[in-house]
Amino acid sequence: DVKVTQSSRYLVKRTGEKVFLECVQDMDHENMFWYRQDPGLGLRLIYFSYDVKMKEKGDIPEGYSVSREKKERFSLILESASTNQTSMYLCASSSRSGAGELFFGEGSRLTVL
Amino acid sequence: QQQVKQSPQSLIVQKGGISIINCAYENTAFDYFPWYQQFPGKGPALLIAIRPDVSEKKEGRFTISFNKSAKQFSLHIMDSQPGDSATYFCAASMTRYNQGGKLIFGQGTELSVKP
Repeated sequence: DVKVTQSSRYLVKRTGEKVFLECVQDMDHENMFWYRQDPGLGLRLIYFSYDVKMKEKGDIPEGYSVSREKKERFSLILESASTNQTSMYLCASSSRSGAGELFFGEGSRLTVL
Repeated sequence: QQQVKQSPQSLIVQKGGISIINCAYENTAFDYFPWYQQFPGKGPALLIAIRPDVSEKKEGRFTISFNKSAKQFSLHIMDSQPGDSATYFCAASMTRYNQGGKLIFGQGTELSVKP
């Protein structure tokens, strides 16, 4: 069974803290994505990566960075967390040769106090 | 031009009824239009998808209708069941420009099917 695993389901952090969200996929997918989900706004793309050590900005990259040192792992980093980054974060992966289907993890709910 | 607009934001349907969710887009370069279904506490999962060379695609009780000239597409859920209660997202992407997988999502529709 294909799987995208997000290491933390729930996190509570304080303003100014550095936050790491980890994502691992076991499908040997080339593409990996980080989305943010907020009520009424849908899913918005933060960053994505089409290959190891590659990254591209999505629609809302401000305040975030990413790291992809291995094919299966894609990390989202909040250098200095702020309250407006309280949200649900979803990691996804897809195959370059596939039809475009994204496989999502179960999400990491981050609360910044 | 990259937006996908989805409506309604929430929908309540009686069991056995038809649920209809609509989406509109501006960018004519989009060539892949999936619908995702998300249950509480879970990530979204692909439900059904269509490409613009067909006007309709049906899988069981779920049908996508696609109107290329109007730049609109919709999801119809026939004989809606309480188990269909979930949040539904439409999306679009430009697979021909090697951006397959980079989906632009609509705002989501929270569907509740009453017994």
